Amino acid sequence: EAQVTQNPRYLITVTGKKLTVTCSQNMNHEYMSWYRQDPGLGLRQIYYSMNVEVTDKGDVPEGYKVSRKEKRNFPLILESPSPNQTSLYFCASSFLAGDEQFFGPGTRLTVL
Amino acid sequence: RKEVEQDPGPFNVPEGATVAFNCTYSNSASQSFFWYRQDCRKEPKLLMSVYSSGNEDGRFTAQLNRASQYISLLIRDSKLSDSATYLCVVNLGDSSYKLIFGSGTRLLVRP
Repeated sequence: EAQVTQNPRYLITVTGKKLTVTCSQNMNHEYMSWYRQDPGLGLRQIYYSMNVEVTDKGDVPEGYKVSRKEKRNFPLILESPSPNQTSLYFCASSFLAGDEQFFGPGTRLTVL
Repeated sequence: RKEVEQDPGPFNVPEGATVAFNCTYSNSASQSFFWYRQDCRKEPKLLMSVYSSGNEDGRFTAQLNRASQYISLLIRDSKLSDSATYLCVVNLGDSSYKLIFGSGTRLLVRP
């Protein structure tokens, strides 16, 4: 089944404790992206990747890191999480940039 | 001005009603347009792409008006299951091909 998977789906952590949210797609998509969604603010892009080893900042990259060592994986790293990073996070992928994007199921993160 | 603007609603309609949403975009160079549907706390899912000639899929019709820079979504014969938030999505129109998501229009279909 063609899909985007994310793990974990839910996470409660404390300020400063490094964490990684994994994202994987099995559709051989070139483009991958991370978004956060907050009430009233809609989906905001954190980082995106046009291809392997090519990543770039989105609209709200502060406090996040990403890597794209393999085509299928695009992990999101929070080196030192803070409460303002409490949010719903979505990973998405598309065949090429600008195409329709397929979303993972989301990761609900709470930073205390 | 926001790059993509939608009326947040909610639109509260009875079953069987016809409802229409509009979405305006600011970049005249935008090339790709989509409507996504998002259920509460779930991931957005593609509802339909919007082509220059319009697009119809069953009870759903999407239109593009480049001159006025808006896209529309028409839902006929509303079902209870249509209750969701509808996101308008537009590509940035530059070399990044970045997609910009509107904040969504909430639809509530009542019995």
